[in-house]
Parts: sequence; C-alpha cells; structure tokens
Amino acid sequence: ETGVTQSPTHLIKTRGQQVTLRCSSQSGHNTVSWYQQALGQGPQFIFQYYREEENGRGNFPPRFSGLQFPNYSSELNVNALELDDSALYLCASSLGGGQGGGYNEQFFGPGTRLTVL
Amino acid sequence: DAKTTQPPSMDCAEGRAANLPCNHSTISGNEYVYWYRQIHSQGPQYIIHGLKNNETNEMASLIITEDRKSSTLILPHATLRDTAVYYCIVRANTGNQFYFGTGTSLTVIP
Repeated sequence: ETGVTQSPTHLIKTRGQQVTLRCSSQSGHNTVSWYQQALGQGPQFIFQYYREEENGRGNFPPRFSGLQFPNYSSELNVNALELDDSALYLCASSLGGGQGGGYNEQFFGPGTRLTVL
Repeated sequence: DAKTTQPPSMDCAEGRAANLPCNHSTISGNEYVYWYRQIHSQGPQYIIHGLKNNETNEMASLIITEDRKSSTLILPHATLRDTAVYYCIVRANTGNQFYFGTGTSLTVIP
C-alpha cells in the first residue's frame, strides 16, 4: 500500500505566475483534500474533491482551483500568485467524502513548499 | 464548524506521561474529536479519534468528558520523538473536512 505523494517538493515562483501542484492519493482512497499552511499556523482547508467533484470549499478565492482525475489523483492550481501564497501546501486522502459518512482519518502527504518572490 | 482551544505550548519530561488538553465547548452531538500531530515541516500524522467514549490505541489514549466539551490526549511515556505540534480537531458536520487550529507545541525534554 503506497502512501500519499506530492510533487514537486519545493517550488519558487514570482508574483503573477501560475502554479500547479500534484497529489497522488493513497491506494483505495477516493477523496482528496487540500490545505494551505503558512509559517507558524495550522493547516487551512482549501477544498476537497470526492469522486472527481468538488465537495466543500474553505475561504479561498476562485484563483485557487482544483481537479481530481479518475484514478483519484488531484491537482491544485493557483493563478495570479501573490506573496501571501507562500506556504506549505498539503494534500490528504481519505475514503468516503460523501455527506454524512466516512468518519475516517485523513492521510497527509509530505507537502509542497511554495515560495512566491 | 466547531472551534477548539488548546494551550500554545507545553513541556514534558522524557518517560513521563504527556497530557494535552483541548476545549471544544460548541461541539455538536454527531461530531468526532480527532487528534493529529505534525513534526517539523512534515505532513500531519493521525493519532486517534473518538465520539464520546474513551479510546486507546498503540500511540495514545483519548479521554472525552461526559459533556463532550473537552478532551485530553495522553501520550503515556513521552519520548524525544514525540516533540511536535499537536492539533485537536472537531470534524465538520458534513463532508469530511478538517478545520485545524494553531495546536499545542509539545517539547519533550531529556
């Protein structure tokens, strides 16, 4: 059983650019959640994908968007990068993102460290 | 989503029990309490979760008060490798989202 993997590990971009981060979920998991963690803060929920559909979104602007593929891997896209987007981006996979069910733990990947200059 | 309150930092002597408190006074009846920890710059690691009964696994014990307004995570014999930030989370009522606070930074002292 493979765990959650994320790529790239580190990334440096400049303001205004666009970035795509990737996540491979743990085998058998159909739900992927993305989090942003600024330095010294707890992870902040961005959005969740369940069976290729967005299944909840946190307080992030539309320039944060995502995709989930049939194999349940996922991408996080951020357009028009701002300096405050510098953070550790975490992906977590779990089973059962449907309403009212799936009281299962989320398994986190190691994260992608994004620096915006 | 229910909020949690944790002390920002705690110290514990190596080999002693570490007791990490969490207040979640607005928790709803069907919301679970989860604990995760995060070792520096790594992804958070699941520890334990519970609804109303006390729970124990190979890593820790979780004690939830009868009114469910607070809980305590117990690491029975803390080691240096337990130094981390510990997050108490109340699972959202719908979906599977987790809302993290700022956590407790636990330092295990030799």
